[in-house]
Amino acid sequence: SQQGEEDPQALSIQEGENATMNCSYKTSINNLQWYRQNSGRGLVHLILIRSNEREKHSGRLRVTLDTSKKSSSLLITASRAADTASYFCATEIYSGAGSYQLTFGKGTKLSVIP
Amino acid sequence: EPEVTQTPSHQVTQMGQEVILRCVPISNHLYFYWYRQILGQKVEFLVSFYNNEISEKSEIFDDQFSVERPDGSNFTLKIRSTKLEDSAMYFCASSWARGTGELFFGEGSRLTVL
Repeated sequence: SQQGEEDPQALSIQEGENATMNCSYKTSINNLQWYRQNSGRGLVHLILIRSNEREKHSGRLRVTLDTSKKSSSLLITASRAADTASYFCATEIYSGAGSYQLTFGKGTKLSVIP
Repeated sequence: EPEVTQTPSHQVTQMGQEVILRCVPISNHLYFYWYRQILGQKVEFLVSFYNNEISEKSEIFDDQFSVERPDGSNFTLKIRSTKLEDSAMYFCASSWARGTGELFFGEGSRLTVL
């Protein structure tokens, strides 16, 4: 199974509501990152949380990490129509000899209805 | 704000043809990557490049693929003999460090193989 898997695959909410997306992974990680992708565009980094951190905030974003459960969540508060995008978690693992690999999940497609 | 630029934005080619996708990473970054995303699917790691050599590559990155940094600014991905299943969005990314930071992605090059 995949290293990083987001849940749900799709999420539709009303503007102003909070959106929560989850990510589960299989192996020990160095850090976990969340990226956003607008339709047909590149990925934009949102936030990085290290394996020794439990929670991190950036503006309306809140990320948690539970390494015992190998899971993370991304909360977007007070959502806006402009938050409509796909959100990907990416796990960075140490693959030995100074090498790291960043692996993406399948993403959660968020639709925020005005 | 510095950004990763990719050309072409869209390329259509016939099966069996060679394709070169070009990227200009952020100037002071040291690590360079190629990822691909088949339509509607997850972002897949292809290869990472550091100090003028490949540092990691995935199973997807077979002998048909090669990367090169021909000068101080460009980073190219060559597909020697394209197949239908190579149709995807190819993303270039760069980073200052490994294991500690975010990747900066370009807007992608859409490759369509007919």
